[in-house]
Parts: sequence; structure tokens; C-alpha cells
Amino acid sequence: KAGVTQTPRYLIKTRGQQVTLSCSPISGHRSVSWYQQTPGQGLQFLFEYFSETQRNKGNFPGRFSGRQFSNSRSEMNVSTLELGDSALYLCASRSLAGERTDTQYFGPGTRLTVL
Amino acid sequence: GDSVTQMEGPVTLSEEAFLTINCTYTATGYPSLFWYVQYPGEGLQLLLKATKADDKGSNKGFEATYRKETTSFHLEKGSVQVSDSAVYFCALSINTGRRALTFGSGTRLQVQP
Repeated sequence: KAGVTQTPRYLIKTRGQQVTLSCSPISGHRSVSWYQQTPGQGLQFLFEYFSETQRNKGNFPGRFSGRQFSNSRSEMNVSTLELGDSALYLCASRSLAGERTDTQYFGPGTRLTVL
Repeated sequence: GDSVTQMEGPVTLSEEAFLTINCTYTATGYPSLFWYVQYPGEGLQLLLKATKADDKGSNKGFEATYRKETTSFHLEKGSVQVSDSAVYFCALSINTGRRALTFGSGTRLQVQP
């Protein structure tokens, strides 16, 4: 079974621009979560989606948003980029049925650099 | 709020040495506990997990036991290899419908030949 895929793997943007990142979950997984990883703040939860609805949200400003499509694929958007948004953005998926509903599986991440 | 505390790194060991990475947690509910590993330039890989007190998770020679009385989930391996060099993250999620992971700061392991 294919793992979580994220595109693109690398992005370079300038301050003030916006960016959209994409995530395809493991087949059959209906939940998708997003995390930000930085050297200073570590790994922080952004939000979780399932059934095309945001179910949980971390402590990030409104510039960070996301959505989920009917095929469970998800996108996250960051508007008005700031230098501090430079990070590795990780997507994770999990099943909502069976014994492993608590286990999240991560993709390789998208490395965003803001200049 | 929920939190995870890991020992500071880097941890530097010689090949075949015994490894312990300490992890303690604070949680308001009954968490599931996880260890993830991150190799350079990659995402996170699930290493092992435990869902209730006294459960032992194990994988690839790594083990960790869910200790509710000490709120700990220490990672151990009897004999490390150079290929184990990576960053290890301890994490928890609370057993509700919402499953956001709370991570520790990560511990870098360097294994020398």
C-alpha cells in the first residue's frame, strides 16, 4: 500500500506571497492532519480534517488554512508569508476504523523556505 | 495542557552499545504513546506505540513500556547500529475522537562505528 505523499517536496517563496501544499493520504485513510516542524518550536499541530470538515485546530494564526476533498486528499494554504513560516510541513493520515485509529502515518514533508 | 519531555541530545554511542532515551509525559486523559524516528531529509516514521498502562511496544529491536505510575515511556535498544543514527521523537495523543499528536523536542542519536 502506498504511503502518504506530499507535493511539492521543496518550495521557495518570498515574504507576502501565498503558498498551497498538497497531501494524499494512505488509501482508505479518511483523516488528514498537518504539522509544522521548525528548529525553534519543534513539531506543532496545525489542524485535522476528516469528512471534508476541520475537526481540530492548533494554535496558529488565520493565515494558515486547509481543506479536504471528497477523495480525502488535503491542501493547506498559507497566506501573506512571513520569514518565520519557513519550516518543514508534514502531513499525516490515519484510519477512522479498526484498531489503529490512534496511529498517524507521516509523509516526507514539504520544505518551505521564505526569503 | 498535555506535554512530553525528552532527554536532551545529542546522544553519542559506539556501535553495539545499549541505548536509553528518556521520555516522560503529562496528560489530562488516557493517552496513547508513540515513538517516531526521523532520518535526515525525511518525514517521521512510526517506530512503536503503546495504548494502555503496562503495554510494551517493540519494533526493530527497540522497546518501550507504558509506565502510568511514573508517566514514562523510555525507549531502549540492546545493541545500536550506525544505521540507527537519527532523531527520535516521543509523542502522545489523547484517546478521544480528536487525535492531535503532542511531541517532545526530539533526541538526536549518533552511533559511531
